[in-house]
Amino acid sequence: DAKTTQPPSMDCAEGRAANLPCNHSTISGNEYVYWYRQIHSQGPQYIIHGLKNNETNEMASLIITEDRKSSTLILPHATLRDTAVYYCIVRGQETSGSRLTFGEGTQLTVNP
Amino acid sequence: EAGVAQSPRYKIIEKRQSVAFWCNPISGHATLYWYQQILGQGPKLLIQFQNNGVVDDSQLPKDRFSAERLKGVDSTLKIQPAKLEDSAVYLCASRGFRGPGGEQFFGPGTRLTVL
Repeated sequence: DAKTTQPPSMDCAEGRAANLPCNHSTISGNEYVYWYRQIHSQGPQYIIHGLKNNETNEMASLIITEDRKSSTLILPHATLRDTAVYYCIVRGQETSGSRLTFGEGTQLTVNP
Repeated sequence: EAGVAQSPRYKIIEKRQSVAFWCNPISGHATLYWYQQILGQGPKLLIQFQNNGVVDDSQLPKDRFSAERLKGVDSTLKIQPAKLEDSAVYLCASRGFRGPGGEQFFGPGTRLTVL
């Protein structure tokens, strides 16, 4: 599975959009980009995933560049409860034996 | 629907003792995972079950760690004997076929402290 690079920490003001970047320059054509987050003292929570098209759900939007070498997770209106560690993970289909490999993620702090 | 249940939530033992953790996945989820999360790091997969069969245990320290899922539902992870470096949060996750391609649901974890 391709390796990802994320900034170790970011800050965001409450109510503003939080844009979390992720570099995955070695991603291959059949690998997906997944985002999970982990709020303190809880297990990780799935946010969103995509292959090459931009994706949006009730939690966030995922923007993947055309060359697929990087992506951005967007939380459109960050709240204090969005303070968490955000993990960007690249992996293939689980049926191919690919596992979910977590890095150290980005600690997002939403400030009042 | 009910989430992934784990117990106990906290456990403190001395090195060389044994410990067991229990996980009950979301009903109907065929795939179950155990992860180890050391403080300040992301979770690391220890073992993956598909129903009651092991799919991936390549990162499980088999000299001291064991896991089973006898009836394809709940699972136990055991450490015997424990070492200081086993202090971590042990997370259980499950995945159902209805998930959007790989979505795993995690439990709250068991925090293990080895003294």
